[in-house]
Amino acid sequence: DAGVTQSPTHLIKTRGQHVTLRCSPISGHKSVSWYQQVLGQGPQFIFQYYEKEERGRGNFPDRFSARQFPNYSSELNVNALLLGDSALYLCASSLLATGGAETQYFGPGTRLLVL
Amino acid sequence: AQKVTQAQTEISVVEKEDVTLDCVYETRDTTYYLFWYKQPPSGELVFLIRRNSFDEQNEISGRYSWNFQKSTSSFNFTITASQVVDSAVYFCALSEWSQKLVFGQGTRLTINP
Repeated sequence: DAGVTQSPTHLIKTRGQHVTLRCSPISGHKSVSWYQQVLGQGPQFIFQYYEKEERGRGNFPDRFSARQFPNYSSELNVNALLLGDSALYLCASSLLATGGAETQYFGPGTRLLVL
Repeated sequence: AQKVTQAQTEISVVEKEDVTLDCVYETRDTTYYLFWYKQPPSGELVFLIRRNSFDEQNEISGRYSWNFQKSTSSFNFTITASQVVDSAVYFCALSEWSQKLVFGQGTRLTINP
């Protein structure tokens, strides 16, 4: 079975632009979470979605938004890009959203570089 | 507040040595979950183990073992007879009632032939 897939793998943008990152969860998984990993640090939680509803939001500005589609895939949108948004963006999926017991499985990530 | 501390930023050992990666956590909840993930150079986080706060039994999986001690809020990871393929960044993570994972800073492990 395919794991979590993300697209694109790499992306270069300039400051002020907008970016959309995409994620497809493992087949059968209904929950998707997004994390940002800045170079040299651990991933930071951005959003969690379950059944198209936002279930959690991390400490990120409103420039960051996300949504989940009926097929459980998800998009992460970032507006007005800043240099500091350069990072690896990781998507994770889990079967349900029953709290901390759920193991999240991660995709390969999208490497975003903002110039 | 949740917090995970991995004090070892980098570890370098020679192949076949045993190595232990330390993880200390902070939480106010009595129910929580601890995880270890491996991140090879490709970037994908690979799930290794999940433990809940009510199960302090140590676990062994092949060359990997985990020692969970609530008394010291630690969840340490040991690789026995390390191999070059074990080289990666390893993350310890904590979740409470929500699915938000709080990660440590990671430990970069280098196994030299």
